[in-house]
Amino acid sequence: AQSVSQHNHHVILSEAASLELGCNYSYGGTVNLFWYVQYPGQHLQLLLKYFSGDPLVKGIKGFEAEFIKSKFSFNLRKPSVQWSDTAEYFCAVNQDTDKLIFGTGTRLQVFP
Amino acid sequence: GAVVSQHPSWVICKSGTSVKIECRSLDFQATTMFWYRQFPKQSLMLMATSNEGSKATYEQGVEKDKFLINHASLTLSTLTVTSAHPEDSSFYICSARIIRQSSYNEQFFGPGTRLTVL
Repeated sequence: AQSVSQHNHHVILSEAASLELGCNYSYGGTVNLFWYVQYPGQHLQLLLKYFSGDPLVKGIKGFEAEFIKSKFSFNLRKPSVQWSDTAEYFCAVNQDTDKLIFGTGTRLQVFP
Repeated sequence: GAVVSQHPSWVICKSGTSVKIECRSLDFQATTMFWYRQFPKQSLMLMATSNEGSKATYEQGVEKDKFLINHASLTLSTLTVTSAHPEDSSFYICSARIIRQSSYNEQFFGPGTRLTVL
């Protein structure tokens, strides 16, 4: 079955630590890939997206993600996290339509 | 950025009653809105696609008679949970799609509605 997997359910980091959140998908063919963030008490916001071209995508707030087609992965990275990055992060995929399929999410806690 | 609101933000109701949740695009028109359901510590699951002026398209396993969707205008879609039961308790999130001619039709998400059925 088509699915999106986020293996890190809960990540705890100190400020200035580097972050990498994993995302794998099981779709065949061409996919569009997204990372969304949900800050506490707020709505989902788009961090970045990949459609085609350069597999290294830069998003808002210093986040980036790399699409590795051979590994069916789209991992999210940030070199140095801040306390304000504490949030829930969701990877999502769609194919051909606007329907988004979400991963289970990763809760990130950053301590000062 | 585009803003999507939901009302109410939370609701508690008795088993057997119906609850209506509104999703509004505040500063843009949306021919398509999406309704998602999120269980605690789980992913957002797409329930249905709401199309202005036509019937909603439901995902497999979602009861269309249980979850009534109406998209009567370009800025409003409603989800009515009919004869709600405790298992319908969940977090319901809507999104509205903004049409851009030359780039991705981005979805903007509402803040969600927490439904608790007693």
